[in-house]
Formats: sequence, C-alpha cells, structure tokens
Amino acid sequence: DIQMTQSPSTLSASVGDRVTITCRASQSISGWLAWYQQKPGKAPNLLIYKASSLESGVPSRFSGSGFGTEFTLTISSLQPDDLATYYCQHYDGDWTFGQGTKVEI
Amino acid sequence: QVQVVQSGAEVKWPGSSVKVSCKASGGTFAGYSITWVRQAPGQGLEWMGRIIPLLGRTNYAQRFQGRVTITADKSPTTSTGYLELSSLRSEDTAVYYCARAPIVPAAKPFDSWGQGTMVTVSS
Repeated sequence: DIQMTQSPSTLSASVGDRVTITCRASQSISGWLAWYQQKPGKAPNLLIYKASSLESGVPSRFSGSGFGTEFTLTISSLQPDDLATYYCQHYDGDWTFGQGTKVEI
Repeated sequence: QVQVVQSGAEVKWPGSSVKVSCKASGGTFAGYSITWVRQAPGQGLEWMGRIIPLLGRTNYAQRFQGRVTITADKSPTTSTGYLELSSLRSEDTAVYYCARAPIVPAAKPFDSWGQGTMVTVSS
C-alpha cells in the first residue's frame, strides 16, 4: 500500500509569512495528489487537485507543486483565516491521506 | 449540481453495528464510486473503502477488512449508498463522510462530499 507522509506535523508562523508543507509518497503516484484545508468542526475543503490545479474559489495565495513522490503546498502570504489543518491525499480510485499539518498563527 | 446527503447521528452500544446512508440528491451514483472516509475526534482523515455500483465491486482499507460492508441500492439509477460497520468499539467514535468520486482517476478526487454523520459508540 502507498503511504503518504506529511511534514511538519505542526507549523507556527506569522501573518504574511510564506509557508510550505511537504508530502512524500512511498512510491511514485504521478500527479494524483490533492490538498485539503480543514477547520475545526467542519468538513475538509478541497484546495488543490492534480498536484497543482487550484480549486475554483480558493485564494491564489495557495499553490501546489510536485510530481512522482514529493509534493508541496505553499501559502504565499499567510492570513489569519488560514489557521487550519492541512491534509494531502493520494487518489487513484482508492484514497490515502497524509497525517495532517496543523498551522498555527 | 449533485449534493450528497447523509443520514443523521447515531449512538451505539459497544459490540453492535451501525449502518449509515448517503443519498445523491439531484443526481445518482451511476457511473461513479461511493467512497467512505472517517475522522475520529482530534484525529486525521481515514479512507475506509468504496463501491462501484455499476460493477458491484468493493475495495476496503485493510484495517477495516472483515468489519466493514459498503453497499449501494441496486436500481439502474443508483442514488443511495450504505456503510455498515460491525463489532463497534469506542475507537469507532467518529464522523463518517461519504463522497461521490470518479471510478478511475480524474482531475478531481470527488465531485460531491457529504455533510458527515457522527457515530458515537458508548456504554
């Protein structure tokens, strides 16, 4: 089974900072990688799909990159509303999630 | 735009079973898979499995094999899916989500995600 490993587990940053979260796959997954944002008590919200495509309505400060086994989610200028937990997800019919990265401001 | 609507919250005894449903409102699951994900309090997202109603095929995450059954109604226009989890224990207390997802990898992992169903296992 493919394993998805995110780092860091927790990230503390200031408003305006550039923030990067990394997700590594245990084997190549091509570009079948999505990123979600989840706020407490809410369902996950899709941010990025196919590694780098921005979901409609998501602010342009979010971007994704990578292919194969290493992927990144970047927030170019952290905003207070970005306080949340972020998950990467491999999808190829079956799904596998990373363990999450909590972003604190 | 199809909406996935799930059944309401459940409280169950340890050792019992729970069956959660999800309905495609304004559409069907025909030509899609019905995928289930859960999230225990304070924990991450966990994929449980999926069914492809068109093929009657199921895939389950290894850790739930033997305890989980995912089904769908057998009408030509499948609009309802089910997740049944047996031998419940306190660690199964979680929010259970249903999603309508492409059968094979497509641009997006899903096109509609349910609101979640809280299942509480407690004596």
